[in-house]
Amino acid sequence: DAKTTQPNSMESNEEEPVHLPCNHSTISGTDYIHWYRQLPSQGPEYVIHGLTSNVNNRMASLAIAEDRKSSTLILHRATLRDAAVYYCILRLAGNQFYFGTGTSLTVIP
Amino acid sequence: DGGITQSPKYLFRKEGQNVTLSCEQNLNHDAMYWYRQDPGQGLRLIYYSQIVNDFQKGDIAEGYSVSREKKESFPLTVTSAQKNPTAFYLCASSQRGLIGFGCDTQYFGPGTRLTVL
Repeated sequence: DAKTTQPNSMESNEEEPVHLPCNHSTISGTDYIHWYRQLPSQGPEYVIHGLTSNVNNRMASLAIAEDRKSSTLILHRATLRDAAVYYCILRLAGNQFYFGTGTSLTVIP
Repeated sequence: DGGITQSPKYLFRKEGQNVTLSCEQNLNHDAMYWYRQDPGQGLRLIYYSQIVNDFQKGDIAEGYSVSREKKESFPLTVTSAQKNPTAFYLCASSQRGLIGFGCDTQYFGPGTRLTVL
């Protein structure tokens, strides 16, 4: 299965945009890119997913590189409630979700 | 409200005892999953079920058992054969499961924290 690489941790100031990167150089043409986040002592929460085009929803935006070897989750205005571990996952139909260790985001007031 | 419930939130077990963790969903999803999470680690798949009366082993099924007698319920039993059961257990569901498209998304419950005394 294709793997993803994310920084272990990132910091952001409150009310500023946050760009969380993810590298997936071995992505295949049918892999979907999913992002989930997990607040402390809670289950993961779906954030967004995409295949080729950039995607927006009420929580975040997903920017996908033209060659699909990397993607960026964008939180437009970080709040303290956005402090969480963010997982970037490639999902191929018929395969499992593989959750790595993700990026731990700290939001500074 | 639709969602996934897990109970109990905290569970303490003596060594050598079997315990059962509950997971219920009212999302009408076909597929359900059990994951284990250790401190500072990602999630590892224990078992999954695509449909009622069918389930498959995940990456770390040894010492665990499941049943899927109803679409909305997928209980996990941690047996005495599981040598290191202390962990955070997460249940999830998705509409189509592994037979679905890659865009199928998972919805998670709040988790059960199991501690072996």
